Amino acid sequence: GAGVSQSPSNKVTEKGKDVELRCDPISGHTALYWYRQSLGQGLEFLIYFQGNSAPDKSGLPSDRFSAERTGGSVSTLTIQRTQQEDSAVYLCASSSLRGNTGELFFGEGSRLTVL
Amino acid sequence: EDKVVQSPLSLVVHEGDTVTLNCSYEVTNFRSLLWYKQEKKAPTFLFMLTSSGIEKKSGRLSSILDKKELFSILNITATQTGDSAIYLCAVASNRDDKIIFGKGTRLHILP
Repeated sequence: GAGVSQSPSNKVTEKGKDVELRCDPISGHTALYWYRQSLGQGLEFLIYFQGNSAPDKSGLPSDRFSAERTGGSVSTLTIQRTQQEDSAVYLCASSSLRGNTGELFFGEGSRLTVL
Repeated sequence: EDKVVQSPLSLVVHEGDTVTLNCSYEVTNFRSLLWYKQEKKAPTFLFMLTSSGIEKKSGRLSSILDKKELFSILNITATQTGDSAIYLCAVASNRDDKIIFGKGTRLHILP
């Protein structure tokens, strides 16, 4: 696609429910990143993919968080048993050629609110 | 552990003023430093810096990197209300493809 697409743009859920956030990167971009941004804060690194593999999962806040990427394209970030502290904007970004320029192209984000 | 520290965290100035935003970093096997502007949702790319002492410039914005002292500055001259945003600094490492961001500087320009 023309840009990075994320869905849903907004999600309100009840505490304890599972949520899935989707990211469709720019076509041909091999690197895909997930970040979390709480209100007024910077970007907290969660996980990145090179192709379908995730070399570094150390940024995931807990074992309730998981992510996968299939076909070197779409990625899904899953949060199980959501907690109120999971409320944030989840940003996805993609980059070409192993991110060798470092320039990331961001989606508009998925705003998650856990009640 | 790689880290990026930005200062100030918040800045309020009047239209027409010049501002300097700071970014210091610690990273293993440095590859590049990046600046982004975030107005509402998606951060947008401003600059990528890889070499010391070479200024990157785009209109009223400019940035320079000091790899010896491990910092970068972003200058905005003749600020306008449209410059109000969060400015994010990030570093990329050659060790892996992880890109780490600082907490950002929230800049507010008063008319």
